[in-house]
Formats: sequence, C-alpha cells, structure tokens
Amino acid sequence: DAGITQSPRHKVTETGTPVTLRCHQTENHRYMYWYRQDPGHGLRLIHYSYGVKDTDKGEVSDGYSVSRSKTEDFLLTLESATSSQTSVYFCAIRDTSQETQYFGPGTRLLVL
Amino acid sequence: TQLLEQSPQFLSIQEGENLTVYCNSSSVFSSLQWYRQEPGEGPVLLVTVVTGGEVKKLKRLTFQFGDARKDSSLHITAAQPGDTGLYLCAGEESNYQLIWGAGTKLIIKP
Repeated sequence: DAGITQSPRHKVTETGTPVTLRCHQTENHRYMYWYRQDPGHGLRLIHYSYGVKDTDKGEVSDGYSVSRSKTEDFLLTLESATSSQTSVYFCAIRDTSQETQYFGPGTRLLVL
Repeated sequence: TQLLEQSPQFLSIQEGENLTVYCNSSSVFSSLQWYRQEPGEGPVLLVTVVTGGEVKKLKRLTFQFGDARKDSSLHITAAQPGDTGLYLCAGEESNYQLIWGAGTKLIIKP
C-alpha cells in the first residue's frame, strides 16, 4: 500500500465546466502520474510530475492541466470538460526503491 | 511513440486449463511489468522483469522477458476462478515512463 488516495471517487459534470481531481500520497515520492483508462486503450499518460512545480506532458495532455505545489498533492484540472473526457482517471506514484508504479483507486468521471 | 501489443484481448477458459498472454513490441524496454486489475480498482503490480531471458514465477504464474527485451509472456498453469481479471503489461522507457498494452480480459469459468 503506497498510501495513495484520489478524490472525488465519482463525479458527474456538464460539458464546459471546469473539473479538478486530486491525488494525495503520504510517502514523499518524487514522481507522480495522471493516467486515463478507456476500453481498448489501456492506460494513457496525461501528465506527470518529477518534483514540486516540475511537471511535463504525456501522450494525451490536450484539454488537461496539472499542478503540484506540495510533494504530497498532484492536481489534474479539466479546463472545460468535454464528453470525450468521460473516463476513469488513475493517479500513480513511482517508488524508485522498487522501480515500480503504484496506483490510486481511480476517479470515475462522467461528462454529460 | 513506442507501442506495446498485447494478445489476446479477451480469453474465457475453464478452470484447470492453461493459458498464455503475450506482450510484444518492436522497441527495447529497460524493464517490463505485469499488472492485474480488478473492476473498480487500480492496477496492482504482479512482477517486474528486467534482464533479457529472465523468468519469474509467482505460484501458478510464470513470467518471461524475451532475450532482446522487446517482448514478454505470462503463463498461467491450472487457472482458477480467482485468476479472473484484467491483465496489463507495461514497458518502462529510459525516462521512467510506462508504455501500456491494451490489456487482456481473462475469465476463468468454474
């Protein structure tokens, strides 16, 4: 258990509204990641962070922004939600001692 | 962008049968990881293979990394209903990012 929580766990929103998802970790890991998971696509990287205020884009970053003002929190913002952003969003950390990523429980987002 | 092709996408077999899931790429990875995911939960790491030709066993599960570190397989012996789930492979690039296969949905019928 890498002490990763995500909030909210479920959210329904309307097209055009901003949405922020939060990922919180308790073990001071430097690397954090946001993925989305859709049927037939596996997991796709949205953004990642390699330290406080250090972030970079992943494969599917359009329409998303992130912020990391503290080691323990990594926020994902959908600036203006679209129906194509309906998905399950997972946060992960990288445990460098084990060279492994550990995942949070996910946030299921529905954009109407 | 590197791609990781996972096959089959779906597999439904009877309890007691054996099965193999494949993960193939044209690119070399520094390591390859296998995860299992239950509905409503995040993926959970099963194993990481690092060395070309490496074989790791986890009870009835055998994982192999290809000699060229481009492909991997997961073999389950005498599958049990508790093995049901989504199996995902992921290759780690040199920048620590993971490239994911699309997953194999496995159903083991009693």
